[in-house]
Amino acid sequence: AIQMTQSPSSLSASVGDRVTITCRASQGIRNDLGWYQQKPGKAPKLLIYGASSLQSGVPSRFSGSGSGTDFTLTISSLQPEDFATYYCLQDYNYRWTFGQGTKVEIK
Amino acid sequence: QVQLVQSGAEVKKPGASVKVSCKASGYSFTAYYVHWVRQAPGQGLEWMGSINPSSGGTDYAQKFQGRVTMTRDTSISTAYMELSRLRSDDTAMYYCSRGRDYWGLGTLVTVSS
Repeated sequence: AIQMTQSPSSLSASVGDRVTITCRASQGIRNDLGWYQQKPGKAPKLLIYGASSLQSGVPSRFSGSGSGTDFTLTISSLQPEDFATYYCLQDYNYRWTFGQGTKVEIK
Repeated sequence: QVQLVQSGAEVKKPGASVKVSCKASGYSFTAYYVHWVRQAPGQGLEWMGSINPSSGGTDYAQKFQGRVTMTRDTSISTAYMELSRLRSDDTAMYYCSRGRDYWGLGTLVTVSS
């Protein structure tokens, strides 16, 4: 099974900061990677699919990059509503694996 | 609009089975895989498997092989996930999703004696 290693597991940041979260796949997954935001008590929300495509309705401060094994989610200017937990998801060959999650907290 | 409506919360005893439903609307049910993902309290997301509503074909995560069964009823656009031989560590929120993009609100399954 493909393993996803996500880092960091948590981070503290201030409003306006640039935030970067990374995921590394244990084997190449082309660009079959998505990023999700989850707030407490809510279902995950898709932000990015295909490694770099912005889901409809998601603010442009969110962006994704990478291909193969290394991927990045960037929030260009952190907003108060962005404090949440973020997960990467690989769906290579339709079998999913999530990263462990990154909790973004207020500094 | 696309909606996935899941069945209500369940409380089960260890060793029992639970069957969660996921009713789809707003799109062609047979056109997208339905995935099941669970999240234990305070933990991350865990993929359980998927079903192709068109063919009924399934793909289960190795961890759940032998304990999980995913089915569908195309006449009512509903997918089902049944988990058997429940243990206390199966206590979790169970989500269905249409591919990657649309998710149900989740069904809380509590396993307790």
